[in-house]
Amino acid sequence: DIQMTQSPSSLSASVGDRVTITCRASQSISTFLNWYQLKAGKAPKLLIYAASSLQSGVPSRFSGSGSGTDFTLTIRSLQPEDFATYYCQQSYSTPRTFGPGTKLDI
Amino acid sequence: EVQLVQSGAEVKKPGESLKISCKGSGYRFATYWIGWVRQMPGKGLEWMGIIYPGDSDTRYSPSFQGQVTISADKSISTAFLQWSSLKASDTAMYYCARRGFDSKWYYFDYWGQGSLVTVSS
Repeated sequence: DIQMTQSPSSLSASVGDRVTITCRASQSISTFLNWYQLKAGKAPKLLIYAASSLQSGVPSRFSGSGSGTDFTLTIRSLQPEDFATYYCQQSYSTPRTFGPGTKLDI
Repeated sequence: EVQLVQSGAEVKKPGESLKISCKGSGYRFATYWIGWVRQMPGKGLEWMGIIYPGDSDTRYSPSFQGQVTISADKSISTAFLQWSSLKASDTAMYYCARRGFDSKWYYFDYWGQGSLVTVSS
């Protein structure tokens, strides 16, 4: 299985801040990398796929980059509704493993 | 509008069996893979497996192979996740999700609301 790691595991920020979350794969996965947002009591939401493609309807303050083994999710100008837990997921091979998550709070 | 609606919360005893469901609507259910994802209390997301309702082709994570059974009935646009003998460690929220795609890239684009399974004596 491909192992996914994320850093930091938690992050405190304020409204208006720019934050970056890092995801690393245990082997090269090209750009087969997705990012999801999870809020308590809600279904996960796809933000980014193919490492940098913004899912339809997702605000443009979210962006993704990277290829190979190292990836980043950037949120510029944090909004109150962005405080959540973020997960990366590789879609290179089965099982399509998730990272351990990064909790973003105030 | 694409929707995945999951069955409600369950409270079971160890050793009991359980089958939870995920009903799709707003798209051709048989032509999109449906995956299942576990979130144990206070933990992250775990990819369990995936099924193609059109022909019931199923793939499991090695961590879940033999522990659960994934199935689907395309005639009623519903996927299922079942256990034959529950353990306390199966206590978790379980999500179903549709696997969307853009060319060669795959992702879970629509998710169910989650089914909370509690196993306790």
